[in-house]
Amino acid sequence: EAGVAQSPRYKIIEKRQSVAFWCNPISGHATLYWYQQILGQGPKLLIQFQNNGVVDDSQLPKDRFSAERLKGVDSTLKIQPAKLEDSAVYLCASSLEWTGVYGYTFGSGTRLTVV
Amino acid sequence: AQTVTQSQPEMSVQEAETVTLSCTYDTSESDYYLFWYKQPPSRQMILVIRQEAYKQQNATENRFSVNFQKAAKSFSLKISDSQLGDAAMYFCAYRSPNTGTASKLTFGTGTRLQVTL
Repeated sequence: EAGVAQSPRYKIIEKRQSVAFWCNPISGHATLYWYQQILGQGPKLLIQFQNNGVVDDSQLPKDRFSAERLKGVDSTLKIQPAKLEDSAVYLCASSLEWTGVYGYTFGSGTRLTVV
Repeated sequence: AQTVTQSQPEMSVQEAETVTLSCTYDTSESDYYLFWYKQPPSRQMILVIRQEAYKQQNATENRFSVNFQKAAKSFSLKISDSQLGDAAMYFCAYRSPNTGTASKLTFGTGTRLQVTL
């Protein structure tokens, strides 16, 4: 089966600019996650979708970050305006069962550099 | 809130030897799930092994096995017959048994494993 697809793979922007990341989960996976991985740290959950509804966005900086998952398939994560501290790898993951207790399948991430 | 600690930022092992990566966690729950993920330079997180806390038997996947000590809240990963392809960052992760907002994975800070000839 095809894996979790993410694009772009790399992105460099100036602070205060906007940027968007795209994720296509494994077909049939109802649950989708966006994680932020800052250099030297483990991934941190930003938002979790169950189909097209938000389950958990408690750690999403809502003043600048937004995410949507239209039709319960693809998802986009947007940052506007970007700050230097947003430099990180943004990982998308999906799981077949909504609890995620069997683990997730991750994409290869987007490395964002804000200068 | 649950926390996951990996106290070894870097480890090195010779090819064909065995290495153990450490992980401890803090939780007040009695049932939960633990995972080890591997992250090679390609950045994709790959599930290595999974343990359910209510199972006393340690999980094993080919050359990978865990030593799960529930009372000590310890979950170490043993890699036997190490191969060059095992070189990567390894992350320990915890998942609460609860649903909804508590269902996220909490990761440690990772251990970088080098494999030498």
